[in-house]
Amino acid sequence: DTEVTQTPKHLVMGMTNKKSLKCEQHMGHRAMYWYKQKAKKPPELMFVYSYEKLSINESVPSRFSPECPNSSLLNLHLHALQPEDSALYLCASSRGDQETQYFGPGTRLLVL
Amino acid sequence: QKEVEQDPGPLSVPEGAIVSLNCTYSNSAFQYFMWYRQYSRKGPELLMYTYSSGNKEDGRFTAQVDKSSKYISLFIRDSQPSDSATYLCAIPSGAGSYQLTFGKGTKLSVIP
Repeated sequence: DTEVTQTPKHLVMGMTNKKSLKCEQHMGHRAMYWYKQKAKKPPELMFVYSYEKLSINESVPSRFSPECPNSSLLNLHLHALQPEDSALYLCASSRGDQETQYFGPGTRLLVL
Repeated sequence: QKEVEQDPGPLSVPEGAIVSLNCTYSNSAFQYFMWYRQYSRKGPELLMYTYSSGNKEDGRFTAQVDKSSKYISLFIRDSQPSDSATYLCAIPSGAGSYQLTFGKGTKLSVIP
């Protein structure tokens, strides 16, 4: 099983709202990732958790707040987003560094 | 020079054609190479990965790596309309790194 699940599939939020994106994997992977993807562009890395600790933060604005409650779950908390934050948000996981990353289906976010 | 270069296309072929998708890379330390397929508004799906130079075949798909030329290819035989998608090459940045360097992606359309 190489499945990464994400909820919700779609999300519309206003600039003052607080919402969370959720990601789950049961492959025993120790690394989990958040990516942002704009139309016709490749995914851009936002955060990496390794063994449940934040190991990479690619200078992401603080209105995005990641959380890794356990080795299978990854959350992305959203607050006071801007319309330019509208994008496809992808979660991925891998066994470790330099390993194949498996992506979830993504959450399509629209900020009004 | 960007680390990974990929012609964004678009590429349009008739059904049944052989498709060749290509990436070049600049860092000779890259050891591991992946191809993802991404349908519109979906997450990237791992197609193939390879460590070494030479060919790796999986059904209608063949991944080819030429480390001396720093050139990777994905061939699709007997292309089908269901192969219409964006194809992304991705290369881990190196030992101890969780980061993938993506190509821009090539959009492929297979016309019935």
